[in-house]
Amino acid sequence: EVQLVDSGGGLVQPGGSLRLSCAASGFTFTNHWMSWVRQAPGKGLEWVANIKQDGSEKKYVDSVKGRFTISRDNAKNSLFLQMNSLRAEDTAVYYCARDYNCNYWGQGTLVTVSS
Amino acid sequence: DTVMTQTPLSLSVTPGQPASISCKSSQSLLHSDGRTYLYWYLQKPGQPPQLLIYEVSKRFSGVPDRFSGSGSRTDFTLKISRVEAEDVGVYYCMQSLRLPITFGQGTRLEIK
Repeated sequence: EVQLVDSGGGLVQPGGSLRLSCAASGFTFTNHWMSWVRQAPGKGLEWVANIKQDGSEKKYVDSVKGRFTISRDNAKNSLFLQMNSLRAEDTAVYYCARDYNCNYWGQGTLVTVSS
Repeated sequence: DTVMTQTPLSLSVTPGQPASISCKSSQSLLHSDGRTYLYWYLQKPGQPPQLLIYEVSKRFSGVPDRFSGSGSRTDFTLKISRVEAEDVGVYYCMQSLRLPITFGQGTRLEIK
């Protein structure tokens, strides 16, 4: 069974940093692109970033370029999102998802940026 | 960016009746490889989204056959042949042909 477990969310002040993690199991992690998608409270879905199987390609939505970094540790079947210079508008539930087409999703982790 | 526009934004359906959601993209989603990169998701209350339909019309694993997708290039439709109570939630279309990957605004389905 495919499982994605998101963690690392919390309350952070504007300008602060946070690192999200996603633990994957039930499939061959190294065979799949991985994605991060976020959802602001009461709003729709917004794709944030994705990363190729070997980490050689990384794509980002413009609003996070230069502030967020997606990475993966294939030895540990884990996906990460390093978020720096956080803003109030980054407040959202962050989901990791498998593949470009997001065919499986984690349960999400809430990031709140507020003073 | 490729803009995805869904209509209606909400609908209320009697159990056993059909439902239909439209999704229009601002650019063709047909790739030169012959595939069309349009997907449908359902986000049930308090849950993460789940994939229903991929590449316009292919049902994902475990998705009931009352769900069907159709369309081409820029105009797409999700149909539910007979709505059930468990179909309540918000439906999203998504394109992954062009970056950034973009979603529709969502269509909220409720049961009458």
